[in-house]
Amino acid sequence: EAEVAQSPRYKITEKSQAVAFWCDPISGHATLYWYRQILGQGPELLVQFQDESVVDDSQLPKDRFSAERLKGVDSTLKIQPAELGDSAMYLCASSGAIGYGYTFGSGTRLTVV
Amino acid sequence: DAKTTQPNSMESNEEEPVHLPCNHSTISGTDYIHWYRQLPSQGPEYVIHGLTSNVNNRMASLAIAEDRKSSTLILHRATLRDAAVYYCIKAAGNKLTFGGGTRVLVKP
Repeated sequence: EAEVAQSPRYKITEKSQAVAFWCDPISGHATLYWYRQILGQGPELLVQFQDESVVDDSQLPKDRFSAERLKGVDSTLKIQPAELGDSAMYLCASSGAIGYGYTFGSGTRLTVV
Repeated sequence: DAKTTQPNSMESNEEEPVHLPCNHSTISGTDYIHWYRQLPSQGPEYVIHGLTSNVNNRMASLAIAEDRKSSTLILHRATLRDAAVYYCIKAAGNKLTFGGGTRVLVKP
């Protein structure tokens, strides 16, 4: 069964450092999402791509977060500088056409110390 | 855009059915109803989704009210592996907005 690949699985970084996460969606899925999940809460959408274009980044803290999907396939989410409050699980998901389910990756657990 | 409303937690005995309710009173005609579940330290896993008619798959059944303002996820025979947080989501277009979900505990 096809999977959404994410790396790294775990990341510990010091505050004020830069950190990056990578996601490879299911082949052929045009839509890619990055979610952030704080412990005990549901995932919160950070950014949504349609192919290589951003279609929704209204909840992305743009002063420190950036996301790209240059060739419309894999994607990178970056935080610079990291803050203590950024500690969370970062989830990537992809989907095909509207009306179909999403597939999530296993996530990257970020701890900022 | 209002999120869905679910109970915080539910308990069930192993081998018994589980009925998880969800209210989505602000749903529009083109919004799909999705259900996902999440085990500890894993990403959410797709369970089922529907638009108007009831749906069945190998994991669960989804019963959608006639006015579409509520739905119920049915796990026919709960196992210990079904213990997870279950999210009911009103999907607008190609966008999922999660609420707090229902934590399901399965007792042996």
